[in-house]
Amino acid sequence: AQSVAQPEDQVNVAEGNPLTVKCTYSVSGNPYLFWYVQYPNRGLQFLLKYITGDNLVKGSYGFEAEFNKSQTSFHLKKPSALVSDSALYFCAVRAPLRGGNKLTFGTGTQLKVEL
Amino acid sequence: EPEVTQTPSHQVTQMGQEVILRCVPISNHLYFYWYRQILGQKVEFLVSFYNNEISEKSEIFDDQFSVERPDGSNFTLKIRSTKLEDSAMYFCASQTGGDFTEAFFGQGTRLTVV
Repeated sequence: AQSVAQPEDQVNVAEGNPLTVKCTYSVSGNPYLFWYVQYPNRGLQFLLKYITGDNLVKGSYGFEAEFNKSQTSFHLKKPSALVSDSALYFCAVRAPLRGGNKLTFGTGTQLKVEL
Repeated sequence: EPEVTQTPSHQVTQMGQEVILRCVPISNHLYFYWYRQILGQKVEFLVSFYNNEISEKSEIFDDQFSVERPDGSNFTLKIRSTKLEDSAMYFCASQTGGDFTEAFFGQGTRLTVV
């Protein structure tokens, strides 16, 4: 069975500082990895994905993520955080060989960016 | 920019009543999904739908649940006899096709069973 772990319920960072939101996964076969962001009372908004190729992927709003196969991680990063980045972030995995097209989500990490 | 739209945004229903949650996926998408998020918990997969049939469903998706794409544009989730524990945010999602493409989510329907 596929699973995702987001070890931090909340991450606090000062505006202008770099941010990292952690994600590790467990899956049979090659994973397809995704990050979504959820603002209050809104749906999930796609940020970026890793399918294959370059381990560093870039997405919307200056976010990027690094796929690390040996550590089974896909941490979300941004060089300089903004207050407007404050939201709930979800990591998700898809395992097409065994798991079909469904996404399995982590529990989410609340990012709070303060002035 | 095309988006997935869901109606209603909030539905309150009495326990035991039937509810239908509606979704209009993005027009050229081929795969459709329902997920739910109980308050404070993670987003959980319910069902996927492709080529007019269910392609996969989770343990949560029991006989009380059904999905339908009646007219080629709408995608509905029906809960026949709602229970208190069905209270959650229900998200519809659609995807162009191929397991390498991302799913686009609607804004959700908050279902409250009283």
